[in-house]
Formats: sequence, structure tokens, C-alpha cells
Amino acid sequence: ETGVTQTPRHLVMGMTNKKSLKCEQHLGHNAMYWYKQSAKKPLELMFVYSLEERVENNSVPSRFSPECPNSSHLFLHLHTLQPEDSALYLCASSHLVAGGPTTGELFFGEGSRLTVL
Amino acid sequence: AQKVTQAQTEISVVEKEDVTLDCVYETRDTTYYLFWYKQPPSGELVFLIRRNSFDEQNEISGRYSWNFQKSTSSFNFTITASQVVDSAVYFCALRGSGTYKYIFGTGTRLKVLA
Repeated sequence: ETGVTQTPRHLVMGMTNKKSLKCEQHLGHNAMYWYKQSAKKPLELMFVYSLEERVENNSVPSRFSPECPNSSHLFLHLHTLQPEDSALYLCASSHLVAGGPTTGELFFGEGSRLTVL
Repeated sequence: AQKVTQAQTEISVVEKEDVTLDCVYETRDTTYYLFWYKQPPSGELVFLIRRNSFDEQNEISGRYSWNFQKSTSSFNFTITASQVVDSAVYFCALRGSGTYKYIFGTGTRLKVLA
């Protein structure tokens, strides 16, 4: 099993569809992240979950809804998206130290490439 | 505010040339962490190195080396004797102490030509 696994790798959806992106980490980490990567823009942090509690919510539109049922799984529920939401969505995990942010690095999945028609 | 600037959008070199990727950061934190990641076409960001703000020692790992200079707020990355497999987008990132936010630069696309 690779460290961080994302499914599906590619998703095409219409603006009225509802779909979900899934992320699973096998590293024993307890913090998980969603990032959005659009062309020619810095990676944008969307959400952070620490010990299954959301600790960061970066002014993300409500059409994106995260869910973290346990420390190994993270979902991003999508509904009524816009064409500008087309991007690569990256999931990452890290290890917390004493309940706070780790000093270490993020481990990323390969991303889910989303196209909104 | 924290910021990471990678002024080089794209660099092309011929195989075996040395290449340096620049990273300049801004932060008011006294304790912070700097990172470099490599993103090959597959999409996954691969961790390369982490540097703590209190450790200015340069580091070498095989053909890779990093030059951290607090005086100029720079954390540059050099690839010696580049290879085609080094072709990727490279990101520099910063995280302050006590926060979950990693701030990424816009990346530098490196093309190594055979």
C-alpha cells in the first residue's frame, strides 16, 4: 500500500452532479489536508483535520464539503461545482507532535484531477 | 504575513549541466520550517528536504544540495550534473511554528534535455 492513496484519479462532472473524492493514508498519521492546485497558481490550502477535528478552513465555498470519519480517511464532497473549480485536488497527511502541528513534512497523494463541464 | 517566492517559472538545461532553483521567503516567525518538494508528471509531491530556521547548515544529498541563508531569506536548491529524470516541477514551502499552514511557492518547472 502506498502512503497516501487518492481515488478517483480522474473525475469529470457536470455542474449539477454530486460526487466525492476519497483519500486514505497508511502512515499512521493523525492530520490530513486538502489542497487545490490550479494552473499557474500556488497550492491553495482548503482544509486541515487534526485528530479528526477540522482546524483550518480557508474560506472555501460551501459547494466543497470535507469529511474526516477517522484519522486514516478524508473525503471531499462536491456539489454544484463551477468550471473554475476544475483543478488537481491533492490530499496530504502529517504526524502531529503533542497534539499540535508536526515539525515535519507533508506526505502527498497523487491527486484527483477534476474537470467540471 | 508569510510568503514564498519562486521567481523562476521555467528553466531548461541540457543534461549534465548544474542548475540552481531559487526560493525566497518572508516570515515574521523566529521559528519556522522550510521544505522542497518535487512534483513529477504523475502529480504526487515528493518530499526532498526540510530545514529548521535555527539550523543554517547547508546540506548535500547525492547530486542535490541546499543553501539556506537567513540573512537573505533564501533557501536555494542546486542539482549537480542534471539528468532527464530530474525534469519536474519543484516547489519550495514554508511553515511557521504552531500552525498547520504550509505556504507554497508557485513552483519552478525544470526541463532537462537529453
